[in-house]
Amino acid sequence: DAGITQSPRYKITETGRQVTLMCHQTWSHSYMFWYRQDLGHGLRLIYYSAAADITDKGEVPDGYVVSRSKTENFPLTLESATRSQTSVYFCATARQDGYEAFFGQGTRLTVV
Amino acid sequence: GIQVEQSPPDLILQEGANSTLRCNFSDSVNNLQWFHQNPWGQLINLFYIPSGTKQNGRLSATTVATERYSLLYISSSQTTDSGVYFCAVAGARGSSNTGKLIFGQGTTLQVKP
Repeated sequence: DAGITQSPRYKITETGRQVTLMCHQTWSHSYMFWYRQDLGHGLRLIYYSAAADITDKGEVPDGYVVSRSKTENFPLTLESATRSQTSVYFCATARQDGYEAFFGQGTRLTVV
Repeated sequence: GIQVEQSPPDLILQEGANSTLRCNFSDSVNNLQWFHQNPWGQLINLFYIPSGTKQNGRLSATTVATERYSLLYISSSQTTDSGVYFCAVAGARGSSNTGKLIFGQGTTLQVKP
């Protein structure tokens, strides 16, 4: 049972390029989340999704795009990467609103 | 949005000591979780505790939802307890914070041998 899989685990990209981080879950959980973690800022919510085709902004959505056409996948796209988006990105899932959330291993993204 | 404050920000203990970490939140919640982030960056679920008290080995947690705080107790600390402890909450149903799981800034714990 793989649970939550994030890919890639590490990525280096150049400023201005588009990059997509993938999150895949095998639990059929309704809720999925994307966070970024920077030194001194803890984890900040970027976007979340309550179900397929339902997404909503979190605390720091600017510069990011999400989609959720299938329950199991929740990709995060940086349409034009900037150095300030260098961070560790975590995906999480929860069965329903208010239920326990579980996290993936994270993706370390460096924008040069 | 909902505010989550954790204290203390940093904590240094000798092995074997006990400690209490606190999480205050600004609104009614239907989810409260404690996580441990290990030195490799992995987030480990410690407790799902929107209310009440739970214990797991040397760790226990209490949430008093009506007073909007939660406490994490670590007893007989070990060097492997080192890392960052996060509290995260989601707003109650019907609130503007429904569905959003928001993290505090964390408490960095160092346990010395």
